[in-house]
Amino acid sequence: DQQVKQNSPSLSVQEGRISILNCDYTNSMFDYFLWYKKYPAEGPTFLISISSIKDKNEDGRFTVFLNKSAKHLSLHIVPSQPGDSAVYFCAAKVSGTYKYIFGTGTRLKVLA
Amino acid sequence: GAGVSQSPSNKVTEKGKDVELRCDPISGHTALYWYRQSLGQGLEFLIYFQGNSAPDKSGLPSDRFSAERTGGSVSTLTIQRTQQEDSAVYLCASSPQPGTGNYEQYFGPGTRLTVT
Repeated sequence: DQQVKQNSPSLSVQEGRISILNCDYTNSMFDYFLWYKKYPAEGPTFLISISSIKDKNEDGRFTVFLNKSAKHLSLHIVPSQPGDSAVYFCAAKVSGTYKYIFGTGTRLKVLA
Repeated sequence: GAGVSQSPSNKVTEKGKDVELRCDPISGHTALYWYRQSLGQGLEFLIYFQGNSAPDKSGLPSDRFSAERTGGSVSTLTIQRTQQEDSAVYLCASSPQPGTGNYEQYFGPGTRLTVT
């Protein structure tokens, strides 16, 4: 029972265009959401997060949107750069705990 | 400053043997997590330590898996009688004191375990 789903295993985008990575969740007991980026042979690194009481958070080229009614989270990267090519994971924090559920990841390839 | 370190980086073991994986978290971080990532899968939560509280072991897949955290710092994940399905990358992460509003986790590079 996968509570956090990233239904697109891969995505290719031209350099300079927008990358949109999606994440859906099935549990209403999540109170915080995070995005991580992972390069091969390295651990994931934190990108951006959002509280469940917000609907948008922006940090430079990265913006996370949260639609609670649809239980949907998205990460927008604009403009996309070749160095953004990596696997992106969304994660959700279970309310009242410090336990996190991760999605299966989306491999982004930014084409020069 | 120093990040999260894990050792060994790679481990090949025979089925049925025991293995120990080590994690050194960032100094001062009170929370420590273990995850595993099997081929083509996401990060699967295994266990979580927070300060002196009892660990959350709800993600451990079987009683062959156990973990300790000594002195609130270094942690060891032990897998007894390894099976081929245990082959995965085991990731450790630490995070600062909860309640500070910082929920970011800092990950180590992982240990790639291969059971032959």
